[in-house]
Amino acid sequence: GAVVSQHPSWVICKSGTSVKIECRSLDFQATTMFWYRQFPKQSLMLMATSNEGSKATYEQGVEKDKFLINHASLTLSTLTVTSAHPEDSSFYICSARDAQGLSPEAFFGQGTRLTVV
Amino acid sequence: AQTVTQSQPEMSVQEAETVTLSCTYDTSESDYYLFWYKQPPSRQMILVIRQEAYKQQNATENRFSVNFQKAAKSFSLKISDSQLGDAAMYFCAYRKDTGRRALTFGSGTRLQVQP
Repeated sequence: GAVVSQHPSWVICKSGTSVKIECRSLDFQATTMFWYRQFPKQSLMLMATSNEGSKATYEQGVEKDKFLINHASLTLSTLTVTSAHPEDSSFYICSARDAQGLSPEAFFGQGTRLTVV
Repeated sequence: AQTVTQSQPEMSVQEAETVTLSCTYDTSESDYYLFWYKQPPSRQMILVIRQEAYKQQNATENRFSVNFQKAAKSFSLKISDSQLGDAAMYFCAYRKDTGRRALTFGSGTRLQVQP
């Protein structure tokens, strides 16, 4: 099956600093990638849709200036949490679909556990 | 807006027995996909099974099968011959066939498997 690699798997950062999370599709091209956030014992909530070569689409209530998304190539999307605060601590998961539409399901990265201290 | 509801926060099953997880959804679309994802303690999302709305036949993947009732907007997952490795969070998810293709997830059901 298709592989999506997310890096890092965990990160601890100081309050006020920025953290970048990478999401790569390893064996397929993805014009669209999705970023989700998952709080402990809760479901996945869509934060934004990342579109290759254009601006990301953010869900209502998600601060686009805080969660910067860049999708510069067909295999890489990045999420940068700017000026992180403890309330940004969470589990972030990306997913991607095959641009050729060969499979209807999305493939998920391993997730990134962010802890802001 | 589409919504997905999982009314069972936790379920428990004996090893080798059968368990059914419930899911209902709300949509005005006629073409869409439904999925069950498993999230073990590693938190990696693993696709268990998918169902295309245009297919009347229920999807089956080895010990996993679904009961898809389109008119009732119901999509339950049956796990047969439960194994210890089936213990995980299970999420029901919905996706439109066109337009916005992000997944909408239910709140999840934590499945425990008793030896």
